Amino acid sequence: QKEVEQDPGPLSVPEGAIVSLNCTYSNSAFQYFMWYRQYSRKGPELLMYTYSSGNKEDGRFTAQVDKSSKYISLFIRDSQPSDSATYLCAMSSLQGAQKLVFGQGTRLTINP
Amino acid sequence: GAVVSQHPSWVICKSGTSVKIECRSLDFQATTMFWYRQFPKQSLMLMATSNEGSKATYEQGVEKDKFLINHASLTLSTLTVTSAHPEDSSFYICSAKSVTINEKLFFGSGTQLSVL
Repeated sequence: QKEVEQDPGPLSVPEGAIVSLNCTYSNSAFQYFMWYRQYSRKGPELLMYTYSSGNKEDGRFTAQVDKSSKYISLFIRDSQPSDSATYLCAMSSLQGAQKLVFGQGTRLTINP
Repeated sequence: GAVVSQHPSWVICKSGTSVKIECRSLDFQATTMFWYRQFPKQSLMLMATSNEGSKATYEQGVEKDKFLINHASLTLSTLTVTSAHPEDSSFYICSAKSVTINEKLFFGSGTQLSVL
């Protein structure tokens, strides 16, 4: 079993829809949770960073962490074609983004 | 924002040759840099962690003699793939951890290596 499971998709939704991306994990030591966006053949870009359980909102993006269920989510509101990318969840038991364990990534396409 | 420059963005080489990939933090100092490998439609797999001025720490299964990592300064780390073979063809990505921005890991744009 992988430490971090993420549905690779692909996921295709119409413009303006609410997108929900999810990851599950097995290591209860994970405390730091991140979502990255990666465009094709580019390095990942940090979107959201969350410590422990709870919600965090930044513009159209909301990250949720449920440690009791070992489940994290990223919601994208009012999705735009420019949001089309691969979204990677990542997590670590260590502060400072050390030793990140990544999910496989979900390929998302927003259709105009 | 913090910028990490990775060069080259793509390289094609013959089997048996060595290839060097550079990773530079342009506007911040990076005490720690990480090297990842990514196969198509797969996630990033951490290969090694390098700290400035000390030997790199390699993940299990990564050959340290094949993937030479040097982190000679706070702004530069290099990965050299020695005696490259076709199975080494992959997308290599570096990332750097800022001394002052502890939460964030900044990624380079990646290097696509193709070994013929």
